[in-house]
Amino acid sequence: TQLLEQSPQFLSIQEGENLTVYCNSSSVFSSLQWYRQEPGEGPVLLVTVVTGGEVKKLKRLTFQFGDARKDSSLHITAAQPGDTGLYLCAVLDDKIIFGKGTRLHILP
Amino acid sequence: DVKVTQSSRYLVKRTGEKVFLECVQDMDHENMFWYRQDPGLGLRLIYFSYDVKMKEKGDIPEGYSVSREKKERFSLILESASTNQTSMYLCASSAAGPDEKLFFGSGTQLSVL
Repeated sequence: TQLLEQSPQFLSIQEGENLTVYCNSSSVFSSLQWYRQEPGEGPVLLVTVVTGGEVKKLKRLTFQFGDARKDSSLHITAAQPGDTGLYLCAVLDDKIIFGKGTRLHILP
Repeated sequence: DVKVTQSSRYLVKRTGEKVFLECVQDMDHENMFWYRQDPGLGLRLIYFSYDVKMKEKGDIPEGYSVSREKKERFSLILESASTNQTSMYLCASSAAGPDEKLFFGSGTQLSVL
């Protein structure tokens, strides 16, 4: 059983559209991280959310941690081609566990 | 600019060869990790180390070993490369403590023929 389920697996949308991707689990976590991996590079940490219900904004990206600290969402407003990449959520169990990611492609 | 540097971006090896993947970090981090990334399988932890000369098995250690003789350097060794070890290998480091923020290298795409 996958500890973290990310959805959708793939998403291809036009530039300027909004989108939301999800990271879900049946377990409760003390914190959750989001990483973005661009083609040919390693993942880069975007944000860490810690408190249930917490919302963090990073320019056009809005991250939310569920009230029960079991899930998280990432909303992108007015997507740009530079947002293209693999978005990974991760949690600390006895070590850091990653979801399989959402591969996002923004069409110009 | 802080960095995790992996020695090769692309590597092609023959079945049965011994392969060394090198990783160096300049952030004085205690923790270092090796992952492999495969389509549909995500990031899987091979080995990690929380201190010099210390190593712990991750989720898929079979066919791999590691070496950490110095704090800044963590090497992944494929004793006898096989075709099913063709993959993207990612090294990461983090500071000690409960808030493990991983810093990744750019990866090594290894092809075993």
